[in-house]
Amino acid sequence: NAGVTQTPKFRVLKTGQSMTLLCAQDMNHEYMYWYRQDPGMGLRLIHYSVGEGTTAKGEVPDGYNVSRLKKQNFLLGLESAAPSQTSVYFCASSYPGQKGYTFGSGTRLTVV
Amino acid sequence: AQSVTQPDIHITVSEGASLELRCNYSYGATPYLFWYVQSPGQGLQLLLKYFSGDTLVQGIKGFEAEFKRSQSSFNLRKPSVHWSDAAEYFCAVHGSGNTGKLIFGQGTTLQVKP
Repeated sequence: NAGVTQTPKFRVLKTGQSMTLLCAQDMNHEYMYWYRQDPGMGLRLIHYSVGEGTTAKGEVPDGYNVSRLKKQNFLLGLESAAPSQTSVYFCASSYPGQKGYTFGSGTRLTVV
Repeated sequence: AQSVTQPDIHITVSEGASLELRCNYSYGATPYLFWYVQSPGQGLQLLLKYFSGDTLVQGIKGFEAEFKRSQSSFNLRKPSVHWSDAAEYFCAVHGSGNTGKLIFGQGTTLQVKP
């Protein structure tokens, strides 16, 4: 009964490094989302997926890539981290008709 | 395009006082609306949601919200604020289409004075 699990919870990267954030859900949800949260900006959608093997761009996709090879996992990648990507990242999932999300607890990423 | 505006970035109220957080949305059809709360360093928790029917919606922790179509608003209220209500509050609208996307407002930070 874990819900949505994000790993890692905290990470510090140097500019130019790469990393992958993992989101895993055990609710058999079709839809998954990655958001970033910045002060005064609310939550902005980076990428989302409506099913295994499908992904789509959200509001702020530049500098990020995603993959959904398995239904339960949604990976967010940063190929070359920049200080502007310092943020708190939230993953969420839902199913068709749910109209609302189950959120993960977030990943705090700092790029120095 | 759908959008959500929370006009107040920061609000301070005294403990025991009433609270109203404003939310305005832009959406062509009947919206699905949400309020989430985020305590410091925590994830987001759903307070309440409106899909249809009664325009006054009750949520957890003593919160309620009223949907007013004529004003495109979905304001969050609480009659008596507790110190533990200090947090950031987000209003969201369910986007169009079948992707399940939520569009969030900028958030309102609530500070509670003793």
